[in-house]
Amino acid sequence: AQKVTQAQTEISVVEKEDVTLDCVYETRDTTYYLFWYKQPPSGELVFLIRRNSFDEQNEISGRYSWNFQKSTSSFNFTITASQVVDSAVYFCALRNTGFQKLVFGTGTRLLVSP
Amino acid sequence: GAGVSQSPSNKVTEKGKDVELRCDPISGHTALYWYRQSLGQGLEFLIYFQGNSAPDKSGLPSDRFSAERTGGSVSTLTIQRTQQEDSAVYLCASSEMLADNEQFFGPGTRLTVL
Repeated sequence: AQKVTQAQTEISVVEKEDVTLDCVYETRDTTYYLFWYKQPPSGELVFLIRRNSFDEQNEISGRYSWNFQKSTSSFNFTITASQVVDSAVYFCALRNTGFQKLVFGTGTRLLVSP
Repeated sequence: GAGVSQSPSNKVTEKGKDVELRCDPISGHTALYWYRQSLGQGLEFLIYFQGNSAPDKSGLPSDRFSAERTGGSVSTLTIQRTQQEDSAVYLCASSEMLADNEQFFGPGTRLTVL
């Protein structure tokens, strides 16, 4: 079975604060892919990052960073110095090798106020 | 280049009517996916096409739902005898053939069944 849990339903921060969005996944497969997508108020899902299960290196892209830990089945996303434009719903997703479908978490709504 | 496009952007229909939703994938993308986003169910996979064939239809909720893809490009999702619980945003995504490629999403069609 595949499952993605995003326990944080909504997070509110003030601009310039750092914020971490949690993602915990379940899968029996040893090979899989993890993703983060952003859904701004306009509604369109925007791809942020893909990580395969063999690559546990953390990644940083500007103010965004991702921490992948197989030992805890987590793939957390941190935004440093948050900005109002970061306000959106963020989805974590899992895809097992051999299957094409993405299994999404329920999303975390991030509200960044000025 | 152009992204995934979907039409119509909004559709209001009466219970019992049939509706057709259209998706134009990114040019050259051989894989196409349909998802549904609703308040109660989150983001759910419906069906996946590779070329014109659909190897995975496991997410279609009932036999009232069908989809086809012609010419390895445009896809149509048809819902027959719509019910109020079909109200949702229907999202289409496409990706290149390689298995580990990310899926790019369209803006969605918001379906409201009265």
